[in-house]
Amino acid sequence: QSVLTQPPSASGTPGQRVTISCSGSKSNIGTNYVHWYQQTPGTAPQLLIYRNKQRPSGVPDRFSASKSGTSASLAISGLRSEDEADYYCAAWDDSLRAAVFGGGTKVTVL
Amino acid sequence: VQVVESGGGLVQPGRSLKLSCVASGFGFDAYAMHWVRQVPGKGLEWVSGINWNSETTRYADSVKGRFSISRDNTKDSLYLQMNGLRGDDTALYYCARGETAVLSDAFNLWGRGTAVTVSS
Repeated sequence: QSVLTQPPSASGTPGQRVTISCSGSKSNIGTNYVHWYQQTPGTAPQLLIYRNKQRPSGVPDRFSASKSGTSASLAISGLRSEDEADYYCAAWDDSLRAAVFGGGTKVTVL
Repeated sequence: VQVVESGGGLVQPGRSLKLSCVASGFGFDAYAMHWVRQVPGKGLEWVSGINWNSETTRYADSVKGRFSISRDNTKDSLYLQMNGLRGDDTALYYCARGETAVLSDAFNLWGRGTAVTVSS
């Protein structure tokens, strides 16, 4: 049982918009930044979004994210086949004094 | 700019193993460092983190009291001493660099991982 809750799967056709939710609590998302990671099969995770909505250089602006209260969301617009991957939200938890991840959402491009 | 893990392998339950992570291409002593693990086919689990000067270390409850994180900034290296290994410690262990010197920021550089298998 992950501290942050994500849907296990999401899907869309090429060009569509897909959103992934991430639900937490006051001690993690409610207080600290949310980060998002992308992991394609057989590779290490990569930072996709940091500090709630910031994109590292090289990440397409098709990826956007937001945070409100104790929840966050990641949106992928103009879905492409290469976006098929697992997506994880993460945050620092002040009560646990630990980093926590969501269980991951597998995005499938139909 | 990379981090490279080593030290994984097959180990019997109850035994110990020490993982290493060597950094290159950036100022290692300016960043917090972390270990994150992943059971094949499962999600990511943060294991432990250490701030830039080793003053602050944190652990997941699942490894507290058994694992110990350390770093040697003179060798650009991060370590994870794992004692009392159990079957549920079997995973791919990633070394990850923090965005800044503090523990609570994002992990913006990941290694390829080193596999640990705990089995008799």
